[in-house]
Amino acid sequence: NAGVMQNPRHLVRRRGQEARLRCSPMKGHSHVYWYRQLPEEGLKFMVYLQKENIIDESGMPKERFSAEFPKEGPSILRIQQVVRGDSAAYFCASSPMGPPMNTEAFFGQGTRLTVV
Amino acid sequence: QKEVEQDPGPLSVPEGAIVSLNCTYSNSAFQYFMWYRQYSRKGPELLMYTYSSGNKEDGRFTAQVDKSSKYISLFIRDSQPSDSATYLCAMSARVNTNAGKSTFGDGTTLTVKP
Repeated sequence: NAGVMQNPRHLVRRRGQEARLRCSPMKGHSHVYWYRQLPEEGLKFMVYLQKENIIDESGMPKERFSAEFPKEGPSILRIQQVVRGDSAAYFCASSPMGPPMNTEAFFGQGTRLTVV
Repeated sequence: QKEVEQDPGPLSVPEGAIVSLNCTYSNSAFQYFMWYRQYSRKGPELLMYTYSSGNKEDGRFTAQVDKSSKYISLFIRDSQPSDSATYLCAMSARVNTNAGKSTFGDGTTLTVKP
């Protein structure tokens, strides 16, 4: 049973380009969470999605960032017009159930975005 | 002030020592408390989770939650060099308004020396 798969593992973008990060949850998991981790900091919640629905996007920046989890295929975190401050590790987690039983969330290995 | 405070360390102990890792929090709505281990350049790995106050033991790991003090701890007994990692505490509320959202501490870096 494969774990949470994120790709690419490393992504380099020039300022102003778009970054697309992909996350395939564990088999049977329909709840996906995206987190961002800046150097020397903990993970910061960005968005929580179920299939075809955004449930909680309270941690998403208001501009340039969007996320989706279509009926078929992986969840996508999209960052438009990237800036240097977007450089971070982006982690995706999935769980089989939603709140309040969502404590057992499994994380992927992350995508490390570097904006040059 | 952050909702979750965690001493960043670094913490260095000899092999076999008992390690105590701690977090404090300010949001009384938190009901679920988790500890994750993160090796360098890897994703966080869930070690333990507890609901509300009390203790939970799993092998060499013991998690404690004291909601009255808003304080949680992770104890590692007989620490091993393979325990060297960053340990993250995380918490979440039960209500749907915080659906799926966990709030993490900044992590404590632990080194266990052989």
